[in-house]
Amino acid sequence: KNEVEQSPQNLTAQEGEFITINCSYSVGISALHWLQQHPGGGIVSLFMLSSGKKKHGRLIATINIQEKHSSLHITASHPRDSAVYICAVINFGNEKLTFGTGTRLTIIP
Amino acid sequence: EPEVTQTPSHQVTQMGQEVILRCVPISNHLYFYWYRQILGQKVEFLVSFYNNEISEKSEIFDDQFSVERPDGSNFTLKIRSTKLEDSAMYFCASSIQSYEQYFGPGTRLTVT
Repeated sequence: KNEVEQSPQNLTAQEGEFITINCSYSVGISALHWLQQHPGGGIVSLFMLSSGKKKHGRLIATINIQEKHSSLHITASHPRDSAVYICAVINFGNEKLTFGTGTRLTIIP
Repeated sequence: EPEVTQTPSHQVTQMGQEVILRCVPISNHLYFYWYRQILGQKVEFLVSFYNNEISEKSEIFDDQFSVERPDGSNFTLKIRSTKLEDSAMYFCASSIQSYEQYFGPGTRLTVT
C-alpha cells in the first residue's frame, strides 16, 4: 500500500509570493498527478508526470523518482489560486489513484 | 474541450433507498473509475472498469455497490441500500490507458 503524504496541510500566503507544496510517497510509482479542488468540490487535473519537470503557465511540477518526492510550485500567486491541491499516485501494475490528504492554499490579496 | 459529465449534481435520499449516479466519460476513453470523498477526508478509490468488467475494486466497494456501462456512453454507480455513511461526494473519472485521468464535477450524495 502506498502512503502519500503532503506538506504543508495548510498554507496562507500573500499575493505574488512563490508557493511550494510537497508530496512524498512510500512505494515506487508509474506516475503522479497533481490535482486542484475548488470550494465547490470539483477536481481538475493539473499535471501528470513520471519523471523530470512540467510547466503550465505559472505552475511547475517536478518529481524525483529516486527520492519518491514531488513538488508543485506556483509563481506570482494570485487569490484565484486559492484551492486544495492534491497529490495522487498510480502504482505499477494498476490504474487507480491513491490520494494524499491535500494542501489547502489561501492567497490573500 | 471534451469533459466528463455527472448527473445529478446533488442527490438526497433516505436511508435504505437505492440510488444511481450517472457519468458520461470522454468518448474515446477506455478506462473508467469511481472515487468518493467523505466530507473533510481524502479522496478514496472505489472501482475501476475496463472492457465491460471491473478491473479493480477497493474494500469499500462491497455487495451494496455495482457499476454498469449500459449503452456505451453512460457509466453508472448503483448503491442498492444506502446508509448514512454513504454520504459523500462521488467522482467519476476516465482515461486512456496510462494517461491522465479526467474527473467529472462530482455528485454530492446526502443520505438522511
